[in-house]
Amino acid sequence: AQSVAQPEDQVNVAEGNPLTVKCTYSVSGNPYLFWYVQYPNRGLQFLLKYITGDNLVKGSYGFEAEFNKSQTSFHLKKPSALVSDSALYFCAVRGGMYSGGGADGLTFGKGTHLIIQP
Amino acid sequence: DADVTQTPRNRITKTGKRIMLECSQTKGHDRMYWYRQDPGLGLQLIYYSFDVKDINKGEISDGYSVSRQAQAKFSLSLESAIPNQTALYFCATSDPGQGAGDEQFFGPGTRLTVL
Repeated sequence: AQSVAQPEDQVNVAEGNPLTVKCTYSVSGNPYLFWYVQYPNRGLQFLLKYITGDNLVKGSYGFEAEFNKSQTSFHLKKPSALVSDSALYFCAVRGGMYSGGGADGLTFGKGTHLIIQP
Repeated sequence: DADVTQTPRNRITKTGKRIMLECSQTKGHDRMYWYRQDPGLGLQLIYYSFDVKDINKGEISDGYSVSRQAQAKFSLSLESAIPNQTALYFCATSDPGQGAGDEQFFGPGTRLTVL
């Protein structure tokens, strides 16, 4: 079965500083990895994904993520945080052979609250 | 995402009642999904559908049923609601043309409270 771990319930960062939201995964076969963001009272919005190729993936709103196969990690990063980045962030995985997570749906982590302080 | 709509947005009901949550999409996607979100647990997959004739159980399908009335519509039913089904429910769609790398597009959610 596939799984995702987001080890931090909350991350606090000062505005203008770099931010990192951590994610590790377990999956059979090659992973398909995703980051989503959820603002209050809203649905999830897609940020970026890794399928294959370059380990550094760039996405929306200046976010990027680095895929590390040996460490089974897919950490979300941004060089300079904005107060408007404050939200709930979810990492998700789907196995290359559609294994686990209800066979085809994504398996989500529990989410990390990102708080950017002015 | 305005392309995926859910009704109702909020619902309070009583134990034992039958409830239907509806999802409509204008994205033209074949794949549709129902998830529930509980605080601190992330999202869990309830059911998913690859097309009108294809329905599959997810991780937590017990107590739920679904109907895919058309490509654009996917309904979730709670046959006899119980308090631990109180949660935020999300519908999502994706384009199978991207294979397993298809990102999902989520509706705004339905907040369901079962008393």
